This record gives sequence, structure tokens and C-alpha cells, in this order.
Amino acid sequence: ETVLTQSPGTVSLSPGERATLSCRASQSVRSDYLAWYQHKPGQTPRVLIYAASSRAPGIPDKFSGSGSGTDFTLTVSRLEPEDFAVYYCQQYGNSPWTFGQGTKVEVK
Amino acid sequence: EVKVVESGGGLVQPGGSLRLSCVASGFDFSNYYMTWVRLAPGKGLDWVAYINQGGSAKIYVDSVRGRFTISRDDATNTLYLQMNSLRGEDTAVYFCARWNYALDYWGQGTLVAVSS
Repeated sequence: ETVLTQSPGTVSLSPGERATLSCRASQSVRSDYLAWYQHKPGQTPRVLIYAASSRAPGIPDKFSGSGSGTDFTLTVSRLEPEDFAVYYCQQYGNSPWTFGQGTKVEVK
Repeated sequence: EVKVVESGGGLVQPGGSLRLSCVASGFDFSNYYMTWVRLAPGKGLDWVAYINQGGSAKIYVDSVRGRFTISRDDATNTLYLQMNSLRGEDTAVYFCARWNYALDYWGQGTLVAVSS
């Protein structure tokens, strides 16, 4: 099983700041098949990025993904109030699929 | 409008069984992989299982393999999760989600609580 380790566990930032979230895989993710999701309490998770760097339909360009192999990054260029949430990475290149444990982005 | 709606959750004793259902609408259900994902209290998202188009391939996370069975009925646009030998650690909200380029549509979830 491919273990995904996200860091940091929690990050405290102010609106307008940049968020950089990391996701490291225990083995190379085939074809860089890695997605990022945003999850807010009481809502369903929302896909932001797929295939490491492709934005999902309707996702603003303040969200960007990068990386390959075992190291991936989600960047939120300028945090807005609605961006404070938990972010998960998920790999679907290796079987079984797995999620990271999540990074909480909270208001400083 | 794409929608997936889960049902079937509830309180069950350890060792018991439950069957979750997920009814899909607004898209050609038979053409998509479908998945179950869970969220336990205080924990992160945990992928449970997926099934391919036609149901010939079913993959499970290690912790549920042999206890849970995913299936689908394309005639009624319904995804199922049969859960047997339930344990306390299976307590979670269970989400049904469509696989497209990623998990692009999710239901609101159904709560499964395993407790005596």
C-alpha cells in the first residue's frame, strides 16, 4: 500500500497569505496520478487538482498543484476566508488507492 | 444535475451487518467507476473500495477486505456496500463518490455507528 504523508498537520495563516501543502508518497505514484481535495465541515469534499497539476473544472487559478514521483505540493496563492479547510491528497496510480491524513489550514 | 444519495446507515452491534445503498442520477451510471470513502470521527478520509464499469473489478482497502463487498446494479443506477463482521473502527460517515478524472461528485454521506 502506498502511504501518503501530508505536512504540516496544521498550518495557521492569515487571509492574503500563501499556503504551501506537502504530500509525500512512500513509493513512486504511477503516472503522477495524484489528486487534491478540499473538505469543509458539513460539506462534501471537493476535488481541486488531478494528475498532480491539472485543475478540476471550475477551480480558480489560485489553486495549483505540482510535483512528481513521490513528492507533491498544493499551493494556494492568496488565501481567502472560504479557503480555510482541510486539504487531502489522494493517489490513484497504485493499487489500492489511498488518502493522506490531511492538512488543516486555519485562520491565524 | 449529477446527484448521488446514500442511505442505509445506522447503529449496529459489533459483529453485525449493514448494507449501504447509493442511488445515482444525472449521468450515465454504467459508464463510471464508483467508490466508497469513509470519514471516521476525528480522522481523515479513508478510501474503502471501488468497482469498475460492469463490476468485473473490485478493489478494497486491506482493513475491510473479506468483510465488505461492493456491488452495483446498472439497471437501477445503484451502488451497494455490504458490510459484515462490523467493528468499532468501522464507525464513520460513508460517502459514495463517482470516479471520473478524480472523485468529482460525492454524496452527503450516511453514518454508520458500531457500538454495543
